[in-house]
Amino acid sequence: AQKITQTQPGMFVQEKEAVTLDCTYDTSDQSYGLFWYKQPSSGEMIFLIYQGSYDEQNATEGRYSLNFQKARKSANLVISASQLGDSAMYFCAMREGWGDYKLSFGAGTTVTVRA
Amino acid sequence: DTGVSQDPRHKITKRGQNVTFRCDPISEHNRLYWYRQTLGQGPEFLTYFQNEAQLEKSRLLSDRFSAERPKGSFSTLEIQRTEQGDSAMYLCASSSAPGTASSYEQYFGPGTRLTVT
Repeated sequence: AQKITQTQPGMFVQEKEAVTLDCTYDTSDQSYGLFWYKQPSSGEMIFLIYQGSYDEQNATEGRYSLNFQKARKSANLVISASQLGDSAMYFCAMREGWGDYKLSFGAGTTVTVRA
Repeated sequence: DTGVSQDPRHKITKRGQNVTFRCDPISEHNRLYWYRQTLGQGPEFLTYFQNEAQLEKSRLLSDRFSAERPKGSFSTLEIQRTEQGDSAMYLCASSSAPGTASSYEQYFGPGTRLTVT
């Protein structure tokens, strides 16, 4: 079964608007972590934000925030005030268990920011 | 701190040839991971090391694949008898030891893009 599901293959957003990228996950572990990475056309994976399963508050990093809904097993990324440089592929990923940090990735969502 | 580096960045090879990729992690990181990413997909885990010990291998890692990290620093990934299905981006990542601050965060290298003709 897919551990990470990203249902939006591509999205367009107007510059300065906010965009929400969906991510649902599947795990039976109590301890897990959720990540979002950005991959521009140049190919490097850039870490954006992390949410641990025991964190009570939603994670925020600058213009990025993670909307963590544990009961629904969702971890959506919100990018506020979109910029042209935000155009990229975005991946949701998960680590499971204690001490095991290998990541399972979703298929990604392509975001295109329009001027 | 120069980040994670990978060499080469691009490799074109003919089917049946052997190829070897190198990854240099961030110097103080003791965990090193290899992932494979095919076009339009997310990365898939291949294997990881803690220091020089290879702790886990994915079922994706067939017998033609072997990875080493002989001194707990750089790592190599070798593919023998390459097939066209091996064409992909091979990504390396590193992280600090579990229990240390931000140990969950993996820093990725730029990747090696392999094309098998």
